[in-house]
Amino acid sequence: IAGITQAPTSQILAAGRRMTLRCTQDMRHNAMYWYRQDLGLGLRLIHYSNTAGTTGKGEVPDGYSVSRANTDDFPLTLASAVPSQTSVYFCASSEVAGGLETQYFGPGTRLLVL
Amino acid sequence: GQNIDQPTEMTATEGAIVQINCTYQTSGFNGLFWYQQHAGEAPTFLSYNVLDGLEEKGRFSSFLSRSKGYSYLLLKELQMKDSASYICAVKDSNYQLIWGAGTKLIIKP
Repeated sequence: IAGITQAPTSQILAAGRRMTLRCTQDMRHNAMYWYRQDLGLGLRLIHYSNTAGTTGKGEVPDGYSVSRANTDDFPLTLASAVPSQTSVYFCASSEVAGGLETQYFGPGTRLLVL
Repeated sequence: GQNIDQPTEMTATEGAIVQINCTYQTSGFNGLFWYQQHAGEAPTFLSYNVLDGLEEKGRFSSFLSRSKGYSYLLLKELQMKDSASYICAVKDSNYQLIWGAGTKLIIKP
């Protein structure tokens, strides 16, 4: 079934640890995105990639890094986790960046940093 | 700054009609999206408006007035499965999506 997968589904992480959230899509979409969703707030863009080999910073990039080595994968790394990074993380993709393209979302990763 | 406002929560009765409003102030406008998000799940696309007027898609309709910075999502013949959060999002002049916090819709029998 075509779509976006994320791993892990959920994670409890000790503060200071490094963590990589995985995201893979099989729709051959050019653009991919990482969001965090916190209670009472809208989705906030962390990083994005308009096409393989390029990445950009979103609204809340500090403490996170991404890479886009190929079209399908867009991992998000927390170099040294802090409790304020407790959130639900959604990966999304769209056929192209910008324009009228709809974004499709993965199921999310629920991260608790203690 | 950029801002999207929508009510935090609304309650409606099964079989009825509900209108969820969204007002926005963004740097530029390249379309307005409505997404549905059930609790514990990912957002899913519902509708898209770029021109003024009403877009109808089955039981759901979405309206846009660019001059007023206003949109609404109209849900008819409400079903229990419509209980979810409804999120308004606007593409700004840089084609970045600005997201509202979502309106939690509670459907009562």
